[in-house]
Amino acid sequence: AQSVTQPDIHITVSEGASLELRCNYSYGATPYLFWYVQSPGQGLQLLLKYFSGDTLVQGIKGFEAEFKRSQSSFNLRKPSVHWSDAAEYFCAVDERDDKIIFGKGTRLHILP
Amino acid sequence: DAGVIQSPRHEVTEMGQEVTLRCKPISGHNSLFWYRQTMMRGLELLIYFNNNVPIDDSGMPEDRFSAKMPNASFSTLKIQPSEPRDSAVYFCASSLMGFEKLFFGSGTQLSVL
Repeated sequence: AQSVTQPDIHITVSEGASLELRCNYSYGATPYLFWYVQSPGQGLQLLLKYFSGDTLVQGIKGFEAEFKRSQSSFNLRKPSVHWSDAAEYFCAVDERDDKIIFGKGTRLHILP
Repeated sequence: DAGVIQSPRHEVTEMGQEVTLRCKPISGHNSLFWYRQTMMRGLELLIYFNNNVPIDDSGMPEDRFSAKMPNASFSTLKIQPSEPRDSAVYFCASSLMGFEKLFFGSGTQLSVL
């Protein structure tokens, strides 16, 4: 069965610093890959997705993610975080069987 | 567009009572999903519909849970009877094309006492 692992439950970075959130998946082939963000009291919002092609994907709010097949990873990055980026971030995979599986999430805290 | 609308935002009930959660998807979307979010288990897919037809309900925890989609603009998730372990945030999401891009509602926070 497929699984998604987000190793970091909490991450704290200073405003203006760079950010990388880790995501690993287990699946034999290349799944569809997603990053969603959840602000407090809200539903999830799609940041970006990877289906095929260029392994570096650009998303909304200045985020990007890179698919690395050799590492089964799809890490999310941002060069300079803003206080408004404080939220919970979810990596998700779809094994091309119309069943999306979410990771447990990483909560991002921003220091002023 | 108003987005995916869920009601109520909060529900507090006693064990054994029937609970009905409601969802209005984005107009024109043909897929609808119900998720449950807890600290322990994260986000779990309960059921999803395509063109009002249930496609996969393997995530529905037990027979106490049922979901319907009588038309393209409305869906319900019912728990009868409710139990304290059902306490969670229940999200509805809709999409135009399967799992390609989900639009989530703000969720219903359910507390079963």
